[in-house]
This record gives sequence, structure tokens and C-alpha cells, in this order.
Amino acid sequence: DGGITQSPKYLFRKEGQNVTLSCEQNLNHDAMYWYRQDPGQGLRLIYYSQIVNDFQKGDIAEGYSVSREKKESFPLTVTSAQKNPTAFYLCASSRQTLYNSPLHFGNGTRLTVT
Amino acid sequence: QQPVQSPQAVILREGEDAVINCSSSKALYSVHWYRQKHGEAPVFLMILLKGGEQKGHEKISASFNEKKQQSSLYLTASQLSYSGTYFCGTHVATSGSRLTFGEGTQLTVNP
Repeated sequence: DGGITQSPKYLFRKEGQNVTLSCEQNLNHDAMYWYRQDPGQGLRLIYYSQIVNDFQKGDIAEGYSVSREKKESFPLTVTSAQKNPTAFYLCASSRQTLYNSPLHFGNGTRLTVT
Repeated sequence: QQPVQSPQAVILREGEDAVINCSSSKALYSVHWYRQKHGEAPVFLMILLKGGEQKGHEKISASFNEKKQQSSLYLTASQLSYSGTYFCGTHVATSGSRLTFGEGTQLTVNP
């Protein structure tokens, strides 16, 4: 079955360390997204990519970086510059246009930084 | 700009109805609705397109008022499984291929 795989499910890091969250999809979708979710809040867009080797900043890109070297993969690096990195991170994908195509989400990675 | 959802929370008894609203200050191409259970990924429910077309869940209905840039999700004869947080995501004409989500509406259905 096609889907989006995020790993790991839980991640613990010490403050000051960079950490990379994995996201892989086999839906043959062109577009991929990273959202951050804090307790009791909505989803905020970090970065998105509509095509390989191209990506755009979302609403809260500071302290994060991404790459899109392959269509199937869109890893997110949380850098030490991110002031409050503890959160639930969701990766999603869609066909090229969101006008009539839904987002498909992975199961998320819960990152805790102490 | 983030769409505004109302109410923030609602508690129902099984079999009761609920309406969740989503309002945007910008011209919308489409509105998406998702439901998220605690600790899980959001699940797609419905897309409402400019022009009136809808795609999605057979047992859930929704409306999209293009003039007011508002959408409403109608949950009728609620079931226990309807519990969760409902998010609307708005696709704005000037924002490219991205969705901006509201803060969510927490729905609890009790027996």
C-alpha cells in the first residue's frame, strides 16, 4: 500500500544539537510539506516543495532546513537555532495542485529537546 | 493569514448534530477539512472547491460560501467515532500550493 513513512516516531535530543527527521513517500506525489503542531494548536507550515531540487519557506521556517534531492524523500533538519524545537512534526504529500487534491499525512515524529 | 474556526470546542451526546465553521479574510480557491484523533495524523474528510464542487466523505456534508469566504462542516447523527479535532485548511489564490490551517475545533461525542 502506498503511504508516507516518518521515522522515528519519538526522538529525544539535547539542546544545541541538530537533528534530522525522515519523511519518505511512495505515492508518486510531486509536492511534499512539513508542518509543526504544538499542544492544543493547529498545524503550522515549515517548508514545502513542489518539485525535486526546489522548496519554499512556510510560515515558521526559521531554525529549520530541508532538502529535496529525490521525489520520494523530504528530510527536515531542526537546527540548534530553533528556539523551541519540542513539538509534533508532520510530513505530508499531495499531487501537484491542492485545489482538488488532499494532503496525505505521515504518522508524525514527536521531538523532545531538553 | 490563518483562518478562524468556531466553536473552539463542542460536546455532544451520541446522535446529536454539530456545525463547525471556518472563516477566511482572503479569497479562497478551496477549503479542506481534516479530522485528527489524539496523537495521530490528520485524516482527510472533504474538499470544497470554488464553483461548488465537493470531494470527500460520503457521510459528512459541508458548504462553501464564496462571497463570504466561509465554510461550514455539518456532522449529523454523531457517532462516538466522530470525536477528535477538526481542522479546516484554506487554499488561497495568491499563496501557491499550500494550505493554511485553523486552530481546530475539538469535538467530543459522549454515549
